Amino acid sequence: GAVVSQHPSRVICKSGTSVKIECRSLDFQATTMFWYRQFPKKSLMLMATSNEGSKATYEQGVEKDKFLINHASLTLSTLTVTSAHPEDSSFYICSAIPGTGVQPQHFGDGTRLSIL
Amino acid sequence: EDQVTQSPEALRLQEGESSSLNCSYTVSGLRGLFWYRQDPGKGPEFLFTLYSAGEEKEKERLKATLTKKESFLHITAPKPEDSATYLCAVQARTNAGKSTFGDGTTLTVKP
Repeated sequence: GAVVSQHPSRVICKSGTSVKIECRSLDFQATTMFWYRQFPKKSLMLMATSNEGSKATYEQGVEKDKFLINHASLTLSTLTVTSAHPEDSSFYICSAIPGTGVQPQHFGDGTRLSIL
Repeated sequence: EDQVTQSPEALRLQEGESSSLNCSYTVSGLRGLFWYRQDPGKGPEFLFTLYSAGEEKEKERLKATLTKKESFLHITAPKPEDSATYLCAVQARTNAGKSTFGDGTTLTVKP
């Protein structure tokens, strides 16, 4: 149980392109979803927290116009990297938690984004 | 500010050689401490939740323990398939749902 699917797993595109990453909770309703960025041999850097039907809460230093997050339903959140540049190349991971209370996060398998 | 420090950064063991990973934390009111395993190129996989000092959880060769300042992940007689990065995270009472992660310990078990 508690499966999170993230798509696509890998994207290679040209500088200036916008890229959309989907995160779906397959067998539970996710009241909250998180988006992380992970650098090589480093831990997870939280980018934003999204709750269904409301605006995402971005962490300090994360450009909200650059990284657009939409949480349109209890099972789907999307991250759009707008006008991507080589410095946006990274491993992006989403996670979701069902309900409230003390819950572990359930992670997708990540998206490797490479901007040429 | 909540902080999580994991040590060592990397650990190399021979198959069957037991050891422990450390997670030291400071948090404004602990709601829960989580252990995850992450394989290369994958998202973290949930292992354990610990809620209060003195609590222990076990799963196969892994046992997690918790005190008021740190948590240990004990690995008994590890196998090569236990090789992965182990992440520790804490959730504070003030942060609804959000967790603060440590940088992880990368474990390599040689056959």
